[in-house]
Amino acid sequence: AQSVAQPEDQVNVAEGNPLTVKCTYSVSGNPYLFWYVQYPNRGLQFLLKYITGDNLVKGSYGFEAEFNKSQTSFHLKKPSALVSDSALYFCAVRGYSGGGADGLTFGKGTHLIIQP
Amino acid sequence: DGGITQSPKYLFRKEGQNVTLSCEQNLNHDAMYWYRQDPGQGLRLIYYSQIVNDFQKGDIAEGYSVSREKKESFPLTVTSAQKNPTAFYLCASSSPLGQGQETQYFGPGTRLLVL
Repeated sequence: AQSVAQPEDQVNVAEGNPLTVKCTYSVSGNPYLFWYVQYPNRGLQFLLKYITGDNLVKGSYGFEAEFNKSQTSFHLKKPSALVSDSALYFCAVRGYSGGGADGLTFGKGTHLIIQP
Repeated sequence: DGGITQSPKYLFRKEGQNVTLSCEQNLNHDAMYWYRQDPGQGLRLIYYSQIVNDFQKGDIAEGYSVSREKKESFPLTVTSAQKNPTAFYLCASSSPLGQGQETQYFGPGTRLLVL
């Protein structure tokens, strides 16, 4: 069975400082890894994904994530935080079995709070 | 949220009542999904469908049913057998088979409350 852990319920960062939201995963085979963001009472917005290739993935709104196979991690990062980045962030994994589409397994989410 | 619509935005269910949540997409996506979101628990997969007239149970399918009669539509029925239906329900879809199918895009959600 696959799983995702987001060890921090909440991360507080001052505006302009770098931010990191942590994610570790467990999956059989090669992982497909994703980050999504959710604003209050809204659906999830796709930020970025790692499928294969370069371990550093760049996504929307200046976010990036680094895939580390040995540590089974996929931490989300941004060099300079904005107040508007405050939201709920989800890490998700899909194990690739060679079959068709199936669902994602999500972490419990991390509240990111950017303080002015 | 563009391309995937969910209705209604809020839905109230009485005890013993079945209710149906609508999900429609105009993205020409083959695969569609239903997730349930509870505070502090992330999202959990209820059902998914890879193609019309076919669907599979997810991790928490008990008390729910779905149909996939059209490519664009994947309605979810919350039956009276679901004893704790209060949650935020999210529908998602992903692109055609063999075309970057791995990324799922989400609708705006339906919040279900029990009266």
